[in-house]
Amino acid sequence: SQKIEQNSEALNIQEGKTATLTCNYTNYSPAYLQWYRQDPGRGPVFLLLIRENEKEKRKERLKVTFDTTLKQSLFHITASQPADSATYLCATLGGATNKLIFGTGTLLAVQP
Amino acid sequence: NAGVTQTPKFRILKIGQSMTLQCAQDMNHNYMYWYRQDPGMGLKLIYYSVGAGITDKGEVPNGYNVSRSTTEDFPLRLELAAPSQTSVYFCASSIQGTGELFFGEGSRLTVL
Repeated sequence: SQKIEQNSEALNIQEGKTATLTCNYTNYSPAYLQWYRQDPGRGPVFLLLIRENEKEKRKERLKVTFDTTLKQSLFHITASQPADSATYLCATLGGATNKLIFGTGTLLAVQP
Repeated sequence: NAGVTQTPKFRILKIGQSMTLQCAQDMNHNYMYWYRQDPGMGLKLIYYSVGAGITDKGEVPNGYNVSRSTTEDFPLRLELAAPSQTSVYFCASSIQGTGELFFGEGSRLTVL
């Protein structure tokens, strides 16, 4: 069944740099991928959705790409700020119920 | 709008006790979900509902029950609490089954 894999190691970057997070899926190309942000002790908050036929999606300083050949989505935050520090989750439809399944998330720490 | 509201935020249970986690949404969403989140394991779907009176099992339903008597409410019942049910529980809702999820702030449950 479909699985979502994210780098479990924290990503540490300097303020102002571009952060790039990776999400890989294991099986069939999903119809779309979603990205969420989760702060400590809070529920995930939806950020972006990219469909299979979209190579790239942007929202302010955020950019998401979808590469069906590599079975991968990249999530970029340009001009990163300490306030961007959080865990970022990738999600898509999958599992036995074909409902939203999530990766384990990648912790981003932006140093001032 | 309050969005998705979960209660309680924190609870400690003894093994074998029962309790209900409450979830309410005021967005008139048909779809509602219960996830649990364990460290390093990501979000796992417990149960979901596509509308009042309709519920179905997710990936990890054992030890839990749900009901959906109204569009707004989707309580999660733990009948005989076990230490393996120590987790953070998130309720979520969506307009349709393939759209973004709106999450509550979570309920942290500890079973001792």
